[in-house]
Amino acid sequence: ETGVTQSPTHLIKTRGQQVTLRCSSQSGHNTVSWYQQALGQGPQFIFQYYREEENGRGNFPPRFSGLQFPNYSSELNVNALELDDSALYLCASKTGTMNTEAFFGQGTRLTVV
Amino acid sequence: AQSVTQLDSHVSVSEGTPVLLRCNYSSSYSPSLFWYVQHPNKGLQLLLKYTSAATLVKGINGFEAEFKKSETSFHLTKPSAHMSDAAEYFCVVTLSRDNFNKFYFGSGTKLNVKP
Repeated sequence: ETGVTQSPTHLIKTRGQQVTLRCSSQSGHNTVSWYQQALGQGPQFIFQYYREEENGRGNFPPRFSGLQFPNYSSELNVNALELDDSALYLCASKTGTMNTEAFFGQGTRLTVV
Repeated sequence: AQSVTQLDSHVSVSEGTPVLLRCNYSSSYSPSLFWYVQHPNKGLQLLLKYTSAATLVKGINGFEAEFKKSETSFHLTKPSAHMSDAAEYFCVVTLSRDNFNKFYFGSGTKLNVKP
């Protein structure tokens, strides 16, 4: 167990809907990043938050947005869901120190129908 | 530019035989390198990390990896495979000069362990 928890574990949504995924970071970690892992692929970086500010973003459209709260938990919001958004969404937390490892949650499996 | 290439998408070994999972990276700057393992329907677990200290890194469950700068490689090895090692393994690079330490993942190697 890493101490990073994600909810829900599974979710089914209809194309065009909006979804919010949640992540509680490990105690003492102030940095949270989100990854999308499509079936059969490696995780792809979506964005990262450090002390409530987004400080990095991957190649994802603006309908992917997020928040980080004062307790360093985080949300990932996806608007106007598309079928290709079906994936495992992973949250990772780490300290702000460079080159430290990230600790991953179990992920949220999102299915868009 | 930076990238990670895992040279084998699938590796199959017999229980008790050695494991070799290959990873090459490209990076303009000094990298930190990690290996993560993902069991079915689970999150990612850190196996080991290299962050510019000793080039031979020992991790959990008997795994180790050697950083070879001249070959830009960071291959994962284990002397004797166990059935419980069957999983998908990801090689990850991050950059010391990256402002936010983004993780770049390889495409993964699925390890199958035969009895």
